[in-house]
Amino acid sequence: AQKITQTQPGMFVQEKEAVTLDCTYDTSDPSYGLFWYKQPSSGEMIFLIYQGSYDQQNATEGRYSLNFQKARKSANLVISASQLGDSAMYFCAMREDFTGTASKLTFGTGTRLQVTL
Amino acid sequence: DARVTQTPRDKVTEMGQEVTMRCQPILGHNTVFWYRQTMMQGLELLAYFRNRAPLDDSGMPKDRFSAEMPDATLATLKIQPSEPRDSAVYFCASGSSMDPYGYTFGSGTRLTVV
Repeated sequence: AQKITQTQPGMFVQEKEAVTLDCTYDTSDPSYGLFWYKQPSSGEMIFLIYQGSYDQQNATEGRYSLNFQKARKSANLVISASQLGDSAMYFCAMREDFTGTASKLTFGTGTRLQVTL
Repeated sequence: DARVTQTPRDKVTEMGQEVTMRCQPILGHNTVFWYRQTMMQGLELLAYFRNRAPLDDSGMPKDRFSAEMPDATLATLKIQPSEPRDSAVYFCASGSSMDPYGYTFGSGTRLTVV
């Protein structure tokens, strides 16, 4: 079974609008972390935001926020005030067995976001 | 800014040749990951090390792939012999058990096997 599911292969959004990229996950581990990465056309993987399973509040980083709904096992990324530079591939990832040590990430298939004028 | 350095950035090689990719993790990071990205399979974990010891290499084809950390500043991924299906972007990432939130990725090595 897929551990991380991103159901939107591609999304379009107009500049200055907000957009939500969906991510659902599957784990039986009570302790886990959820990540979003951005991959522009240049290819590098850029860390955007992190949410821990025990965090009480949704994570925010500038224009990025993570809509974490634990009961639904979803961790959607919200980008506010989209900019042309936000056009990229976005990956959701999960780390299980969050024991405070760096353990492996499992990635979703990604969503390609295109910001239009 | 601290960064993970991968070399080479691009590599084109003929089928059957040996390929070695190198990664210099961020100083102080004790965990190193190798991921492979293809259009068909997405991002797959090949192997990872903690304190230079291999923790998991179950994602790696054992007959042709090998991963090592000869020292704390160098991780290598070797393919011998290479095949066209190995064409992909190979990413190295590093992290620290003292800072479990951050994983820093290198720029990747784009491998083309012809």
